[in-house]
Amino acid sequence: DTQMTQSPSSLSASVGDRVTITCRASHSITTYLNWYQQKPGKAPKLLIYAVSSLQSGVPSRFSGSGSGTDFTLTISSLQPEDFATYYCQQSKFTPQTFGQGTKVEV
Amino acid sequence: EVQLVESGGGLVQPGGSLRLSCAASGFTFSNYWMIWVRQAPGKGLEWMANIKEDGTEKYYVDSVKGRFTISRDNAENSLSLQMNSLRAEDTAVYYCARLLSGYSYGDAFDIWGQGTMVTVSS
Repeated sequence: DTQMTQSPSSLSASVGDRVTITCRASHSITTYLNWYQQKPGKAPKLLIYAVSSLQSGVPSRFSGSGSGTDFTLTISSLQPEDFATYYCQQSKFTPQTFGQGTKVEV
Repeated sequence: EVQLVESGGGLVQPGGSLRLSCAASGFTFSNYWMIWVRQAPGKGLEWMANIKEDGTEKYYVDSVKGRFTISRDNAENSLSLQMNSLRAEDTAVYYCARLLSGYSYGDAFDIWGQGTMVTVSS
């Protein structure tokens, strides 16, 4: 299986901070890398697909980059509604695996 | 409005069975791969199964192969997950989701249901 490793597992940040979350795949997944946001008690929400494409309705402060095995989600200026858990996910290989999540806290 | 609504969760004894349903609306259901993802309490997300637009291809995570069956009824805009031989470790919130297939979309899961809780316990 393709292992997806996110770092950090959690981070503390303040409103206005620039936040970067990294995701590493155990082997190349080309551009089949997606990012999701999940708030407590809610379903995940797609933020970024195919490494860097912003899902409709998602604020432009979210961006993604990377290729091959190393990927990054950046929040340029953290807003109060951005405190949540973020997951990367690969769809290149079956089973389609998620990272363990990164919890962004105050 | 594009929407997915799951139902069928509940409490079941180990070894028992349960059938989850996912009702789709607001889009042409038969044009999309569909998936099930689960999340155990306090844990991360786990992909469970995929089914092709016409139901001819199905894929499962190893831990549920031979126990779970994904199916769909395009006439009814409905996705199902038949779960047999349930174990305590199957306890989770189960989500259905729509898959955006193709290189340009990274096979991302763009629409999610609200989830339905399955508890396996005696």
